Amino acid sequence: EAQVTQNPRYLITVTGKKLTVTCSQNMNHEYMSWYRQDPGLGLRQIYYSMNVEVTDKGDVPEGYKVSRKEKRNFPLILESPSPNQTSLYFCASSKLGGNEQFFGPGTRLTVL
Amino acid sequence: DAKTTQPTSMDCAEGRAANLPCNHSTISGNEYVYWYRQIHSQGPQYIIHGLKNNETNEMASLIITEDRKSSTLILPHATLRDTAVYYCIVRVPKLTAGNKLTFGGGTRVLVKP
Repeated sequence: EAQVTQNPRYLITVTGKKLTVTCSQNMNHEYMSWYRQDPGLGLRQIYYSMNVEVTDKGDVPEGYKVSRKEKRNFPLILESPSPNQTSLYFCASSKLGGNEQFFGPGTRLTVL
Repeated sequence: DAKTTQPTSMDCAEGRAANLPCNHSTISGNEYVYWYRQIHSQGPQYIIHGLKNNETNEMASLIITEDRKSSTLILPHATLRDTAVYYCIVRVPKLTAGNKLTFGGGTRVLVKP
């Protein structure tokens, strides 16, 4: 089954404790993105990648890092999480210029 | 991406067709109309897209007016599982910015028994 998976689905952590949210897709897609979704602010892109070893900042990259060492994986790293990074995070993938984007199930992160 | 206007919310009876309008009067010639939906706190889900012809797939139909200034998404037989926020997006599939999607407010659809 074609899918994007994210782990963990839920995470409660404390300020400053490094964490990684994993994202994996099995569709051989070139594009992968991370978004965060907050009430009243909609979906905002954090980082994206157009292929292996190619990553770039989205609209709200501060406080986040990513890597794309393999085509299928695109982990999101929070080196020193802060409460303002409490949010619902989605990973997405698509073909190059594709019309359909596939989203993961989301990771709800709470930073205390 | 062209701006879109959708009703904030609408109710629909289970088993009936749900017609979701979207206004995109500033659409340009190479922009497509896309529909996604998001069931509460789940990942957004692609539904359908079109350029100027009407489109149909297993989930829905998309009717685009001849002047392309508006469109209607039709869910032919709404079920309770179709309760979600539906987003109409007008854009050109991008070869940059990771094919970024920008969602507006959407229409909150409640399917009632």
